Amino acid sequence: QSVLTQPPSASGTPGQRVTISCSGSSSNIGSNRVKWYQKLPGTAPKLLIYTNNQRPSGVPDRFSGSKSGTSASLAISGLRSEDEADYYCATWDDSVNGELFGGGTKLTV
Amino acid sequence: EVQLVQSGAEGKEPGESLRISCKGSGYSFTNYWINWVRQMPGKGLEWMGRIDPSNSYTNYNPSFQGRVTISADKSINTAYLQWSNLEASDTAMYYCARPGIAPAGTDFVYWGQGTLVTVSS
Repeated sequence: QSVLTQPPSASGTPGQRVTISCSGSSSNIGSNRVKWYQKLPGTAPKLLIYTNNQRPSGVPDRFSGSKSGTSASLAISGLRSEDEADYYCATWDDSVNGELFGGGTKLTV
Repeated sequence: EVQLVQSGAEGKEPGESLRISCKGSGYSFTNYWINWVRQMPGKGLEWMGRIDPSNSYTNYNPSFQGRVTISADKSINTAYLQWSNLEASDTAMYYCARPGIAPAGTDFVYWGQGTLVTVSS
């Protein structure tokens, strides 16, 4: 069981907005920057969000991130069928002195 | 263009040793740490550890410390992940990854294609 807690699944219909949560603690999310990755079967993970709410070039603005205290969220608006994937939050943990990934959320569209 | 190219799939038996590789190109290899990430079948992503190729300084996830060794040869722009005594539970896809801008950052923009390791008798 991961130290960063995500719901195992989420779902939505095309066009809808969905939010995925990531809950941690003061040693990880509370004091470090959060990233979000999209993982499609058979492909390497793709960075969607870094530094809590920044998008790398090429990532649509339908994807947005936020952080408050020891929790973070990824929002996907205007859902599309190609958004169906696994999503992972990640951040550094000062106690572990290493990077942590959440358990992942499988999004069904 | 930044690229991380990993070695091919491996099939091994329990107790055997193995070293997989990750070759960087399109950038100065010694300027960015290389990280290793595991994904076991049907499971999530796990950060295993990382190496600074400029001096081979390593930083391990305590869950993997002592089980694997991360190394690098900067003369050939290649990082390695190795096991001396494989177990069936090491069966997984292994990815190398590099941060985007900050040399020791953990925002993994660049990823290798993955190396599938299967350990079975």
